[in-house]
Amino acid sequence: DTEVTQTPKHLVMGMTNKKSLKCEQHMGHRAMYWYKQKAKKPPELMFVYSYEKLSINESVPSRFSPECPNSSLLNLHLHALQPEDSALYLCASSQEKRRALTGELFFGEGSRLTVL
Amino acid sequence: QQQVKQSPQSLIVQKGGISIINCAYENTAFDYFPWYQQFPGKGPALLIAIRPDVSEKKEGRFTISFNKSAKQFSLHIMDSQPGDSATYFCAAGGTGGGNKLTFGTGTQLKVEL
Repeated sequence: DTEVTQTPKHLVMGMTNKKSLKCEQHMGHRAMYWYKQKAKKPPELMFVYSYEKLSINESVPSRFSPECPNSSLLNLHLHALQPEDSALYLCASSQEKRRALTGELFFGEGSRLTVL
Repeated sequence: QQQVKQSPQSLIVQKGGISIINCAYENTAFDYFPWYQQFPGKGPALLIAIRPDVSEKKEGRFTISFNKSAKQFSLHIMDSQPGDSATYFCAAGGTGGGNKLTFGTGTQLKVEL
């Protein structure tokens, strides 16, 4: 079982809905990530939080809004999404040293999002 | 500078054969090179990783070969099994990549009986 837990596993939403994806890790990692993955493609980085502060935003549209309430939790708030936003959303965590990835990136199993 | 090129895109290997996947990077500041394995419906999971101070690392049936001068690294799966059928992603990161990994495009491996 993965040590990064994501909920929900599946989410279907309309373009006018507001929903949230949640992620939790208890490995003491201080870096947490949101990735988007389309079918047969590599994960694409969206956001990185380092010590609960947003350190990287890969020019993601504002309809995606990340939040890091504490060192164990990461949320992704969704609003006014488009059908092309349908994808697998992966949360990950890692140790960090001097803002560099020093070891394994642990992924959750993902939240499969479908936007109608 | 941040790109990681991966080949082949797909690979079919007979059971017991050797699967070989290749990657090339551009950023010479990368110092961490992991391989991730992803099964359908699951998140990627670390398979094996190498740092540039060694040219080869072996864990069970999985071996990474690393050529620093050519800026290339490869994954060898010995005695390939049907359970190895998955998508494999190489990646690069570390102090030269900031707090993130740059992924290759992925290789779909199918091991046939």
